[in-house]
Amino acid sequence: DVKVTQSSRYLVKRTGEKVFLECVQDMDHENMFWYRQDPGLGLRLIYFSYDVKMKEKGDIPEGYSVSREKKERFSLILESASTNQTSMYLCASKGETAYTDTQYFGPGTRLTVL
Amino acid sequence: AQKVTQAQTEISVVEKEDVTLDCVYETRDTTYYLFWYKQPPSGELVFLIRRNSFDEQNEISGRYSWNFQKSTSSFNFTITASQVVDSAVYFCALSLRGGSTLGRLYFGRGTQLTVWP
Repeated sequence: DVKVTQSSRYLVKRTGEKVFLECVQDMDHENMFWYRQDPGLGLRLIYFSYDVKMKEKGDIPEGYSVSREKKERFSLILESASTNQTSMYLCASKGETAYTDTQYFGPGTRLTVL
Repeated sequence: AQKVTQAQTEISVVEKEDVTLDCVYETRDTTYYLFWYKQPPSGELVFLIRRNSFDEQNEISGRYSWNFQKSTSSFNFTITASQVVDSAVYFCALSLRGGSTLGRLYFGRGTQLTVWP
């Protein structure tokens, strides 16, 4: 089975802090994604990556950056956390057959910025 | 642009009732995939089904069934004889074949299903 893990289930940070959310997958998938989920808005794509060191902006990249130094790990970075970044963050991965493989999700990180 | 609409924000049923979750999508592409995911209270999204745009056959898996109709751009999900464990948020999603989107998912806003004992 595909396994996608995220470093924390719950995280509390203060405004202005730099925050790292880590995601690791064990299926040698090329493609990885970061979404945020907010009530009534569904899931919105922040960034995605199709290879090591490669990244593409999603629909709401402002205030975020990403890092993919190794194939299995995709990090989401909040350079200076703000209260409006309080949300549920979900990571996903899928294989090289970009148009046929299914995205598998991690358990999510619920981030609160005070 | 791609869009997925789940008009039902919340649905409540009593155990053993059948329930249908609606999903309507918009895309100009002719080749695409449609998905349903389940999000239980634990938070993790669980993959349920993927459907190819060229395959309009309905699918049944146990108590779950899916009705894909290209003519109405709909991909509805029915749970037969619902159970309390079916309580979750259900998301419909779309991905494109081809182009630069690399199979990213476009999600609907989700339907919260509550099944009462």
